[in-house]
Amino acid sequence: NAGVTQTPKFQVLKTGQSMTLQCAQDMNHEYMSWYRQDPGMGLRLIHYSVGAGITDQGEVPNGYNVSRSTTEDFPLRLLSAAPSQTSVYFCASSYHGTGGEQYFGPGTRLTVT
Amino acid sequence: AQTVTQSQPEMSVQEAETVTLSCTYDTSESDYYLFWYKQPPSRQMILVIRQEAYKQQNATENRFSVNFQKAAKSFSLKISDSQLGDAAMYFCAYRTNTGNQFYFGTGTSLTVIP
Repeated sequence: NAGVTQTPKFQVLKTGQSMTLQCAQDMNHEYMSWYRQDPGMGLRLIHYSVGAGITDQGEVPNGYNVSRSTTEDFPLRLLSAAPSQTSVYFCASSYHGTGGEQYFGPGTRLTVT
Repeated sequence: AQTVTQSQPEMSVQEAETVTLSCTYDTSESDYYLFWYKQPPSRQMILVIRQEAYKQQNATENRFSVNFQKAAKSFSLKISDSQLGDAAMYFCAYRTNTGNQFYFGTGTSLTVIP
């Protein structure tokens, strides 16, 4: 049981480049989410999904796209990276509707130059 | 939208002593869930304790306990017998009744002094 996995752990992009952050979980959780963590701002919700084929926006969705084709995977896409997207990104999953805790991946540190 | 406020950016405690981290939140919901997460330098987010708003009894997990005051919208974390391994960033978090949205505070950095 690997829990929540994220790849890559570190990434450097140039402004305007695109990339996909991968996230997978093997706990059969319906709910998956993406956060960004910036100094002094805690974690902020980017997008979330309550099941395959269902996604919705969180607090800071601009500049990011997501899709959920399977229960296990929830990739986050940056279509045209900007320096303001320099951050640490966390993926998390949980059971939906029970108020349960979220299980977090190890995070991806992204730098956009 | 709900907001979660942690008013103590940094705290310190002597080893073996007790420390309390503060958290307040703003909501119009009557049912919701509250959490404390720990983030050590490894960056991994680790659940410390969880509280359901409909339960009046304060949650306890070994040396960690909460003081949940629903009317005051306050959810503080008490760490007893502090250990060096408790040094970390601590985040308070709120989960909505529908379970779809989580809101985190800005964190409190805890230093444990030997």
